[in-house]
Amino acid sequence: SQQGEEDPQALSIQEGENATMNCSYKTSINNLQWYRQNSGRGLVHLILIRSNEREKHSGRLRVTLDTSKKSSSLLITASRAADTASYFCATEDTNAGKSTFGDGTTLTVKP
Amino acid sequence: NAGVMQNPRHLVRRRGQEARLRCSPMKGHSHVYWYRQLPEEGLKFMVYLQKENIIDESGMPKERFSAEFPKEGPSILRIQQVVRGDSAAYFCASSPGGSDQPQHFGDGTRLSIL
Repeated sequence: SQQGEEDPQALSIQEGENATMNCSYKTSINNLQWYRQNSGRGLVHLILIRSNEREKHSGRLRVTLDTSKKSSSLLITASRAADTASYFCATEDTNAGKSTFGDGTTLTVKP
Repeated sequence: NAGVMQNPRHLVRRRGQEARLRCSPMKGHSHVYWYRQLPEEGLKFMVYLQKENIIDESGMPKERFSAEFPKEGPSILRIQQVVRGDSAAYFCASSPGGSDQPQHFGDGTRLSIL
């Protein structure tokens, strides 16, 4: 399996609920990033967490990183219909240069 | 500031033709990355370039695919003698370089092979 695998593949929730997505990876990393992609569009960077950080917040987003388990989670609180999108994690490994993306979690928020 | 610009947004080619995809990075960004995305899948890394240099092309097929990022002008991803399996969305991203820098993406070129 590849670096940066998201779980679940698809998630459907009601507006106002929280959404949690997980990402697992295999190698040592410099940082882990979360991106969002709306249908037919490019990816938009949401948040970056460095390997020496454990938790980071940005608005309604909360990201955690556990380097011992090689995993990260993205929590979106008080979800809105406009949060409907695919969410991808990407890891920059310690050899740097490129980032490796997972296959994403498709989030549907029902109004 | 304009974001990453990719053109064309949609490109239709017949089998055996050439496809040229262009990417203008954000102002001040000297690092460009190309990715390929199939429906319902994530992005697959193809190539990483800096001005006039290919840094990592480990994701590029050995034949028919090439990329360049000249001193002046956009980065070009070129696919020769296209086949049906080349149909996909191709995304370009740019960054200023260095670690801990997020990539900024264009809206992609959707390539369809007839």
